[in-house]
Amino acid sequence: EAEVAQSPRYKITEKSQAVAFWCDPISGHATLYWYRQILGQGPELLVQFQDESVVDDSQLPKDRFSAERLKGVDSTLKIQPAELGDSAMYLCASSLSPDQRQDEQFFGPGTRLTVL
Amino acid sequence: AQSVTQLGSHVSVSEGALVLLRCNYSSSVPPYLFWYVQYPNQGLQLLLKYTTGATLVKGINGFEAEFKKSETSFHLTKPSAHMSDAAEYFCAVRRSNYQLIWGAGTKLIIKP
Repeated sequence: EAEVAQSPRYKITEKSQAVAFWCDPISGHATLYWYRQILGQGPELLVQFQDESVVDDSQLPKDRFSAERLKGVDSTLKIQPAELGDSAMYLCASSLSPDQRQDEQFFGPGTRLTVL
Repeated sequence: AQSVTQLGSHVSVSEGALVLLRCNYSSSVPPYLFWYVQYPNQGLQLLLKYTTGATLVKGINGFEAEFKKSETSFHLTKPSAHMSDAAEYFCAVRRSNYQLIWGAGTKLIIKP
């Protein structure tokens, strides 16, 4: 069964360091989402891609966060420099198409980030 | 603006008892509603969704939810809880741009 892959699963870093997370969506899925989930809360959308283009990054803290999906397949989310408040689960999800019949989002296992 | 409210951050039930997790939404358009489950340190998995048609929706693992427009609710139920149901459950409503607005989640605790 096709799955969304994410790595690493866990990352511990010190504040002011740079971190990067990788996501490989289900093959053929055009839409890719990055979410941040703070413990005890629902996911918060950071950025949405349609193929290689950013559709929505209005909630992405652009002074320190960046995201890319260069070939419209896998994606990288970077934080530089990391701050204590960035400790959270970072989830990647993909969907076949932004269409009401094909918009089910499939999630990866997430990357748990701890900033010390 | 659309929003989702999940009543109760924690719900505790005994094994074999009825599970009821509450979700209320606000939406200016006919809503598409979802329930996802998240096990510890894992991603989210779709349990069920309501789009149009039948208001009682059946999902995986014996869960079901009923869309009640008059009450703006989409509560999740399961007749008999199993230990394996212990997880966090999230209700979500889809925006017109297909993005999801999420509730804060309800942690389901199963007592032996």
